[in-house]
Amino acid sequence: EVQLVQSGAEVKKPGESLKISCQGSGYNFTNYWIGWVRQVPGKGLEWMGIIYPGDSDTRYSPSFQGQITISVDKSITTAYLRWSSLQASDTAMYFCARQGKENWSDPWGQGTLVTVSS
Amino acid sequence: DIQMTQSPSSLSASVGDRVTITCRASQSISIYLNWYQQKPGKAPKLLIYGASRLQSGVPSRFSGSLSATDFTLTIGSLQPEDFAIYYCQHSYTTPFTFGGGTKVEI
Repeated sequence: EVQLVQSGAEVKKPGESLKISCQGSGYNFTNYWIGWVRQVPGKGLEWMGIIYPGDSDTRYSPSFQGQITISVDKSITTAYLRWSSLQASDTAMYFCARQGKENWSDPWGQGTLVTVSS
Repeated sequence: DIQMTQSPSSLSASVGDRVTITCRASQSISIYLNWYQQKPGKAPKLLIYGASRLQSGVPSRFSGSLSATDFTLTIGSLQPEDFAIYYCQHSYTTPFTFGGGTKVEI
């Protein structure tokens, strides 16, 4: 079974750094792009960026470029989403998802809730 | 960036109704259009990819189509478990933006 398992919920203060993870299993991890999506509570889905584990090729949405870093460690089949300095506006649920042949997203991880509050 | 305009933003329907949701791209995206269903507290679930291809395991009452510049998700006969939020997303070129969502309510 293809599965993506994300790290647990986080509570952070503004200005702190954070890295959340997404571990893939049940497929050849290096052959499929992994994407990240943000969902602010009560709002819609926002596409953040994707990474190809085979060569770490990364594409960011202009809305998130410079605010986040997407990385991967293919030795442990895990993708990461990192912030160097969190803001309250980063409070959201973050999902990872495997990208299909034409970049549809399936399956999805269960989500990681990030809360940023002083 | 390609903008995705989804309509309506919400709709009320009854079990057994035929429901149609529309998505329009700000420029040509060929057939690179996907539909997702999201229930409260859950991750989105892929329903349709490539505009009209049904994802494995998704009931056949869900279908997708393209007419001129409009992509359509149709639920042939609404079931109680279909009350959710539906999103379109293009995957033509990055960023792969989502539509604003359609909430299907009783």
